[in-house]
Amino acid sequence: GQNIDQPTEMTATEGAIVQINCTYQTSGFNGLFWYQQHAGEAPTFLSYNVLDGLEEKGRFSSFLSRSKGYSYLLLKELQMKDSASYLCAVLTGANNLFFGTGTRLTVIP
Amino acid sequence: DAGVIQSPRHEVTEMGQEVTLRCKPISGHDYLFWYRQTMMRGLELLIYFNNNVPIDDSGMPEDRFSAKMPNASFSTLKIQPSEPRDSAVYFCASSLGSRAQPQHFGDGTRLSIL
Repeated sequence: GQNIDQPTEMTATEGAIVQINCTYQTSGFNGLFWYQQHAGEAPTFLSYNVLDGLEEKGRFSSFLSRSKGYSYLLLKELQMKDSASYLCAVLTGANNLFFGTGTRLTVIP
Repeated sequence: DAGVIQSPRHEVTEMGQEVTLRCKPISGHDYLFWYRQTMMRGLELLIYFNNNVPIDDSGMPEDRFSAKMPNASFSTLKIQPSEPRDSAVYFCASSLGSRAQPQHFGDGTRLSIL
C-alpha cells in the first residue's frame, strides 16, 4: 500500500519561517507535488519535485530526498493569507497520484 | 481563461436519490480526474480519464458510483442510489500532457445526503 505522512496541524507567527514535512512510502516514485488549499476552496498547485534538492519559488521552497522518502515545504516571511492546508502528493511508479491528509497551518499575528 | 467548471456547487438530497455531478475541464487538457474529499480520509482519487477514456476506476467505492466522459469538454459522476456516507466534497481536476503535470481543480461540489 501507499503511505504518506504529514503533521495534522501547525501554528506559526506572521513574518516567521515554517517547515512542513512529508514522508512517504510508495510503490515506485515519479515525483512529489505540494498543493495549497484554503478552507472551502479548491487545492492549487505550489510545486513539483522529481530530483533531489531544493526548488525555490518566491517565498515558497520545496525540498526532496528520494533516498529518505522525505520532502518539506518551506514558507518564508509568513503572511496571514498563508493560513491554509498544505497537501503533499506522491506520483507512484504506476503514475497514480496519492495525497496525504494535509497539514493545516494557522498563521497568528 | 476559464478554469475547471463544476456544477452544482452545493447539492442536498435525500438518501436513495440519484445525484449527478458535472465537470467541464480546461479546454485542451487531456486528463480529467474525479476526487472525493472528507475530513477523515482526505483527498481520494475516484477515477481518471485520458482522452475521454477511463484509465483507472479502482478508487470508485462501489457499483453505485459511475462516471462518463462523452466528449473532451464534459464529464459526469453519478451516484445511484445515494447514501449518507457519500456526503463529501467532490472535486474535478484536469491536466495536460502527462500525470507529472500539475492538476487544476474546480471549485468542487459540496454534497450532503440526508
